Amino acid sequence: AQSVAQPEDQVNVAEGNPLTVKCTYSVSGNPYLFWYVQYPNRGLQFLLKYITGDNLVKGSYGFEAEFNKSQTSFHLKKPSALVSDSALYFCAVRPPGYSTLTFGKGTMLLVSP
Amino acid sequence: NAGVTQTPKFQVLKTGQSMTLQCAQDMNHNSMYWYRQDPGMGLRLIYYSASEGTTDKGEVPNGYNVSRLNKREFSLRLESAAPSQTSVYFCASSEGGVSLYGYTFGSGTRLTVV
Repeated sequence: AQSVAQPEDQVNVAEGNPLTVKCTYSVSGNPYLFWYVQYPNRGLQFLLKYITGDNLVKGSYGFEAEFNKSQTSFHLKKPSALVSDSALYFCAVRPPGYSTLTFGKGTMLLVSP
Repeated sequence: NAGVTQTPKFQVLKTGQSMTLQCAQDMNHNSMYWYRQDPGMGLRLIYYSASEGTTDKGEVPNGYNVSRLNKREFSLRLESAAPSQTSVYFCASSEGGVSLYGYTFGSGTRLTVV
């Protein structure tokens, strides 16, 4: 069965420092991978996706993610965190042959001033 | 630029009551989805509709029914609400399957069953 793991419930980082939010997946074949962000009392917003091609994907708000097939990971990164980046982040996967997304449990990112 | 609209935003039900959560999208998307979000469990798929006229069960369909009324609207019905259905419900849509941008989400319905 396909699954997505976000091993950290919470990530704390100081403003200006680099941040990483981890995601690993377990699916057969070549999945589509996504990151979404959720601000308090809001729906999820699309950040970026990996379909094929370059392993480093750039997305909204200065975020990027690195696809690593051998480690089955898709970690979200940003070179310099902002307090306004504080939110709940979800990794999601669409396995080959499926038409729906499976989401991880989410990681709360807290950026301190 | 409404996107995906969900109503109501908040609802309190008594155990055993029924209600319908409404969802409408104005992006001419083919596929629509209902997820529930619970603390520590992420988003879990309840039902989805790949295209008008079709619906399929997701991971947690028990206790729910859906109707794809037309291409724009996809409703979720709780026939006899239970406290375990206390959750935040999100509707989403996509062009077809998972599109270039994945899903577009509504702002959610916070449901409490007492």
